[in-house]
Amino acid sequence: SAVISQKPSRDICQRGTSLTIQCQVDSQVTMMFWYRQQPGQSLTLIATANQGSEATYESGFVIDKFPISRPNLTFSTLTVSNMSPEDSSIYLCSVDGQGALGPLNYGYTFGSGTRLTVV
Amino acid sequence: KQEVTQIPAALSVPEGENLVLNCSFTDSAIYNLQWFRQDPGKGLTSLLLIQSSQREQTSGRLNASLDKSSGRSTLYIAASQPGDSATYLCAALNNAGNMLTFGGGTRLMVKP
Repeated sequence: SAVISQKPSRDICQRGTSLTIQCQVDSQVTMMFWYRQQPGQSLTLIATANQGSEATYESGFVIDKFPISRPNLTFSTLTVSNMSPEDSSIYLCSVDGQGALGPLNYGYTFGSGTRLTVV
Repeated sequence: KQEVTQIPAALSVPEGENLVLNCSFTDSAIYNLQWFRQDPGKGLTSLLLIQSSQREQTSGRLNASLDKSSGRSTLYIAASQPGDSATYLCAALNNAGNMLTFGGGTRLMVKP
């Protein structure tokens, strides 16, 4: 299965600023997914990022707040913009078991997460 | 819309006990079901993946079963250890393979 490097692992940010989270995958993948996990809650999908096209956002999430880049088949970034304390969460990237070179069927793999605290 | 529920939300057991975590889902048209472990403040580690055509998967002290028709999966942990303390999440993947829906998780504490 794929191995994902996610950074930063944690950050404390001032309100009104922005933070960019990076995910690097060790293999080419078609889709990358970004999730948010608010304190004490389960995971909620923010958006799906395909290489070469605009990300697809889930209900309640907008591009101006969470811009995503997907410049190639192994890398993606998520920016949390104009942060407020309500953005304090763990943010995770993920890839599915389908690779750009064919189905892998290993299930979803997740990065180690970015623990964001906004003060 | 798929909904995934996990019961119990929290569980505390003494070391050595065998235990069962439950996961139910409303839409049986799933591609697979995956169990994850999450340590506090960390990412998710995949434990077991059950394809829709399978009934169970085993890895060490862990055994996961799947009953698609009744919309249920269970994770069995044998001879629990303090190191098993974590939150366990189940997630159902839709048939299109592009939407993974998570349950709320079971927070497990194994006391020495």
